[in-house]
Amino acid sequence: QSVVTQQPSASGTPGQRVSISCSGSSSNIGNNYVYWYQHLPGTAPKLLIYRNNQRPSGVPDRFSGSKSGTSASLAISGLRSEDEADYYCAAWDDSLTGVVFGGGTKLTVL
Amino acid sequence: QVQLQESGPGLVKPSGTLSLTCAVSGASISSNNWWSWVRQPPGKGLEWIGDIYHNGDIYHSGSTNYNPSLKSRVTISVDRSKNQFSLRLNSVTAADTAVYYCARSYCSGGSCYSAGLDFWGQGTLVTVSS
Repeated sequence: QSVVTQQPSASGTPGQRVSISCSGSSSNIGNNYVYWYQHLPGTAPKLLIYRNNQRPSGVPDRFSGSKSGTSASLAISGLRSEDEADYYCAAWDDSLTGVVFGGGTKLTVL
Repeated sequence: QVQLQESGPGLVKPSGTLSLTCAVSGASISSNNWWSWVRQPPGKGLEWIGDIYHNGDIYHSGSTNYNPSLKSRVTISVDRSKNQFSLRLNSVTAADTAVYYCARSYCSGGSCYSAGLDFWGQGTLVTVSS
């Protein structure tokens, strides 16, 4: 049972905009930066968003992150088939003195 | 380009010790970074195991953070001479079967962020079974 929760699944059709949510508490999301990862089966997770809403170089601007209070969201616009993957949020937790990952959201492109 | 490569036994017996090494190239293990271990059990999500920071001080073994749920069984260490870091997890059970990843934390402006892992190894599957 993760201290940071995500919806287990999300879906959309090509070209649509989808949003994935991440809910935590004041000890993690509320007081620290949120990071988002894309994880394709058999590969290493890829950092998509850092410090709430920043994109590493090479990540398309179709991916955007936001944070409000103890919740965060990842939005993917112009959905493409290659976006089908598992997505995880992560944050530092001051109480646990460690990193917490959300349970992950499986995105299906219909 | 920073590259990380995990290595170690793919099979460990129950109650034994899991030992993995992460070889780092393209960066110094003593640079201003935290170096992490993350795992993913089959069919489950990512779980952070812990991380280590080493400033190059030969008299210092490094600063560590561990997942509280694993802390009693985990040790992460650095080998500066080989530019690598290691994971030891003892008293393993089938629940420790997972793909284990090593990763590097993102740093900017003199600060490093343990939850921001910008470079990852490709992962190695460790199975706990007799």
